[in-house]
Amino acid sequence: GAVVSQHPSRVICKSGTSVKIECRSLDFQATTMFWYRQFPKKSLMLMATSNEGSKATYEQGVEKDKFLINHASLTLSTLTVTSAHPEDSSFYICSARAGRPAAPLHFGNGTRLTVT
Amino acid sequence: GIQVEQSPPDLILQEGANSTLRCNFSDSVNNLQWFHQNPWGQLINLFYIPSGTKQNGRLSATTVATERYSLLYISSSQTTDSGVYFCAVDPGTYKYIFGTGTRLKVLA
Repeated sequence: GAVVSQHPSRVICKSGTSVKIECRSLDFQATTMFWYRQFPKKSLMLMATSNEGSKATYEQGVEKDKFLINHASLTLSTLTVTSAHPEDSSFYICSARAGRPAAPLHFGNGTRLTVT
Repeated sequence: GIQVEQSPPDLILQEGANSTLRCNFSDSVNNLQWFHQNPWGQLINLFYIPSGTKQNGRLSATTVATERYSLLYISSSQTTDSGVYFCAVDPGTYKYIFGTGTRLKVLA
């Protein structure tokens, strides 16, 4: 149980275009999802918390207009990287929690974004 | 904010060896998880362990929350154990902050 699906696994886009990444909880309802970013050989950095039916809350230093998050249902959150630039190239990973706020996190398989 | 440091940063083992990975955190935490990130980037849940000791096969973990550390033990290591091990802590905000990671390579 507690499967999180993330799509696409890899995407290459041209500078200036936008890219949407989907994160789905397959067998549970997730009122809260989290988006992380990981640079090569570095740790995961929390970008934002996505709450179903309300606005996402962003961590300090994360541009909310660059990284648009929508959590339209209890099983789907999306991250859109707008007007992508090469410095946005990174590994993006979503996670979700089933049930109570203290429940463990379950992660998607990540999306490797390359902006050319 | 809370600081989460892991040691050692890098570790090379011969297959069959045992190892202990450490996670230190600078403030009290409500929850703690250990993850293994495989070479393809997938994060695998190992333990959800806010306190106490748990075992799962060749892996075990101990968290001493009052002393602000957690340990992950790997026994009889295998090449498939290679990857990066992360601890992640929830300092009461219901958000998980990741540690610096330990990069493990197990040689055949």
